[in-house]
Amino acid sequence: DAKTTQPNSMESNEEEPVHLPCNHSTISGTDYIHWYRQLPSQGPEYVIHGLTSNVNNRMASLAIAEDRKSSTLILHRATLRDAAVYYCILRDPYNNNDMRFGAGTRLTVKP
Amino acid sequence: GAVVSQHPSRVICKSGTSVKIECRSLDFQATTMFWYRQFPKQSLMLMATSNEGSKATYEQGVEKDKFLINHASLTLSTLTVTSAHPEDSSFYICSANQRRREGTGELFFGEGSRLTVL
Repeated sequence: DAKTTQPNSMESNEEEPVHLPCNHSTISGTDYIHWYRQLPSQGPEYVIHGLTSNVNNRMASLAIAEDRKSSTLILHRATLRDAAVYYCILRDPYNNNDMRFGAGTRLTVKP
Repeated sequence: GAVVSQHPSRVICKSGTSVKIECRSLDFQATTMFWYRQFPKQSLMLMATSNEGSKATYEQGVEKDKFLINHASLTLSTLTVTSAHPEDSSFYICSANQRRREGTGELFFGEGSRLTVL
């Protein structure tokens, strides 16, 4: 059973910001919110992760709702190389500690 | 950054043969590695969790006698597909945690190994 819900697909224009939503209404207090992306025929690539506070890194920003039941991955300026499947995953380091992928969101970036 | 390497990246074998896929953490120690399988146009499916020095934990529906996992050191885990059949053809991916950031840190994924069974 999926712990996160994401739209199947989204489109963006090149050099515009992209907001990828993720719902995780059953998140537990010890779940970390992870985002990964996967290009065709490659292994997933780490994007960002967080627990409660918003996070920024060179790739993206992660905005976490105050109740933690949803989060948004923000790509500030989409490029053609950002076209990939983006996965939002909950990971509990204190229970199971595994990482299970849902269907993800396929992002298409138009030039 | 941390690197996980898989070998081979592609392998073609005859039905009934066994294939071994290696997963190495090149510049860090990994107490736990995860093995995934991905069919075309589908998401990654967790097969098993590999713990250094102990038996792997398999997900429901994954045959442990068919998919042998060995995690003999902190930098190497292997997946052996025994008596492979065409339905085992898939993209196999491993991932690892840096030991010092177990659990709360990010996972590093290998490039994947595409298995084709004729």
